[in-house]
Amino acid sequence: NAGVTQTPKFRILKIGQSMTLQCAQDMNHNYMYWYRQDPGMGLKLIYYSVGAGITDKGEVPNGYNVSRSTTEDFPLRLELAAPSQTSVYFCASSLGQASRKQPQHFGDGTRLSIL
Amino acid sequence: GESVGLHLPTLSVQEGDNSIINCAYSNSASDYFIWYKQESGKGPQFIIDIRSNMDKRQGQRVTVLLNKTVKHLSLQIAATQPGDSAVYFCASSKGAALIFGKGTTLSVSS
Repeated sequence: NAGVTQTPKFRILKIGQSMTLQCAQDMNHNYMYWYRQDPGMGLKLIYYSVGAGITDKGEVPNGYNVSRSTTEDFPLRLELAAPSQTSVYFCASSLGQASRKQPQHFGDGTRLSIL
Repeated sequence: GESVGLHLPTLSVQEGDNSIINCAYSNSASDYFIWYKQESGKGPQFIIDIRSNMDKRQGQRVTVLLNKTVKHLSLQIAATQPGDSAVYFCASSKGAALIFGKGTTLSVSS
């Protein structure tokens, strides 16, 4: 199994541009998550999904959109990139939710710079 | 609000020493806790977890201790090796999600 795969690994955007960060998992996990990690900080939850067709906001959803059309894929969309969105983005998946004692498994991240 | 914090941002140890990394959490309703290791340029890697009905759990060279009375969590690494150098995060459950602390950078010198 490849686990959680994120593409691209690096990207530079201009202010106002849009892009989609891709995330795919091959573990048949129901739950998927998007986090951002700013320098020297922990991870903050942007959006999560409990299954295909169902998404919900996390702690910092503004400026982002997600969709979940399949179990495997959970893309994150930035519509109008802003310098404050410069960060490292991590996708994760889990079999069940945290309250059911299911650990999350992470991809290696997408490093995004907005200039 | 909710928070998960670590007491020290950095910890330096000698190879072969035991390392202890501490974490405090604020949500008394959290019932599941995880320690992650993050190496440079990589995503967080699961190390060990513990449920709130336990005080201690051991893995290979790692032990997690949970003190619910003072809402404190610790990760002990035995016989620390250079390969253990990384940033360590604790996380606590909140419904479907996890809340992460800021991380402690462990540096192991030979």
